[in-house]
Amino acid sequence: DQQVKQNSPSLSVQEGRISILNCDYTNSMFDYFLWYKKYPAEGPTFLISISSIKDKNEDGRFTVFLNKSAKHLSLHIVPSQPGDSAVYFCAASGAGSYQLTFGKGTKLSVIP
Amino acid sequence: KAGVTQTPRYLIKTRGQQVTLSCSPISGHRSVSWYQQTPGQGLQFLFEYFSETQRNKGNFPGRFSGRQFSNSRSEMNVSTLELGDSALYLCASRLTSSQETQYFGPGTRLLVL
Repeated sequence: DQQVKQNSPSLSVQEGRISILNCDYTNSMFDYFLWYKKYPAEGPTFLISISSIKDKNEDGRFTVFLNKSAKHLSLHIVPSQPGDSAVYFCAASGAGSYQLTFGKGTKLSVIP
Repeated sequence: KAGVTQTPRYLIKTRGQQVTLSCSPISGHRSVSWYQQTPGQGLQFLFEYFSETQRNKGNFPGRFSGRQFSNSRSEMNVSTLELGDSALYLCASRLTSSQETQYFGPGTRLLVL
């Protein structure tokens, strides 16, 4: 049973526009959420995180929103750049354990 | 600071063999976690070590094992390799075993023939 779901395997966005990547989770005990970006043949790179006591966290062009009642989080990238093209993984921890549970990823393509 | 390093980067083995992968965490980080990434299952947690002790273990068979040394470097071993073990094996480190961001290495790509 997948506890962290990224329902869109892929997303295409024009350069300069907003990219919105979505993630849903089922385990209400998760209390810390992270987004990682992954290029082919490289390990995931940490982007941004959010604790369940917040509903928004911003870092430059990246903003993560958390809706605890809906068990949903999203990553907004504004403006999108071609270098943002990668696979984005949503991850969660908590539930009595600090190990990360990952979604299966969304491949973002930013078209110049 | 140097990042997480993993060796080797690529490996080809045959069924039935065993393999050992190595991970050196970021200097000062004492927790090392291992993950397996496959196209079908995504990133799955294998185990975590902190101060030479296994703290958490994922849902993998006993053929997958690991250890951590006093300098925080970690190794994982897979015995009696199966075709389905072909994957990218990722190591991640963090300061302690608590809720901090994990930083990943580049991974070891294992192909089992």
